[in-house]
Amino acid sequence: GQQVMQIPQYQHVQEGEDFTTYCNSSTTLSNIQWYKQRPGGHPVFLIQLVKSGEVKKQKRLTFQFGEAKKNSSLHITATQTTDVGTYFCAGPLGSSNTGKLIFGQGTTLQVKP
Amino acid sequence: NAGVTQTPKFRVLKTGQSMTLLCAQDMNHEYMYWYRQDPGMGLRLIHYSVGEGTTAKGEVPDGYNVSRLKKQNFLLGLESAAPSQTSVYFCASRWTGLTGELFFGEGSRLTVL
Repeated sequence: GQQVMQIPQYQHVQEGEDFTTYCNSSTTLSNIQWYKQRPGGHPVFLIQLVKSGEVKKQKRLTFQFGEAKKNSSLHITATQTTDVGTYFCAGPLGSSNTGKLIFGQGTTLQVKP
Repeated sequence: NAGVTQTPKFRVLKTGQSMTLLCAQDMNHEYMYWYRQDPGMGLRLIHYSVGEGTTAKGEVPDGYNVSRLKKQNFLLGLESAAPSQTSVYFCASRWTGLTGELFFGEGSRLTVL
């Protein structure tokens, strides 16, 4: 069946270091979304990428969508303790336009001050 | 403007008991979803609804039932709870466009003993 895989599952960094999480889909995606979940919280939407090769930036966060629209990455420059949480990528589940998303397993980021 | 509200936030059940989780949204969204979150497995779609009176199965529907009698409410029922249903349950909603973010509730933590 359709799968979305994320690596790594966990990442511990020193504050100020960079961080990257990678997302790979078994199928071509029409778009990909990224969410952040703080410890004990709920997922919160960060961004959506739609175009092949698209790159978007949000302050220290850089999101990329692969040319084949099967992979994506999130890069955080100079991490801060406020970046702690789990980052999920998600793509449309199936082919119908019902808004269903399939999520990766997530990458949990720990930042040591 | 409350967004997506889930009740209850916490519940402990014994095996075989039944219960209902309520999700209410005040954003007039057509699409609503129930996900479960388990460690290392990301979020998995249980059931979803594309409008009042309609429901459909997601990735892991067994053991759950849903109803969408009113547009703003989406109920998730467990008829005979099992320990495997111990999880954190998230409700989400979104509008009907081709793409768009999911708005999540704060989650309901269910423990089945």
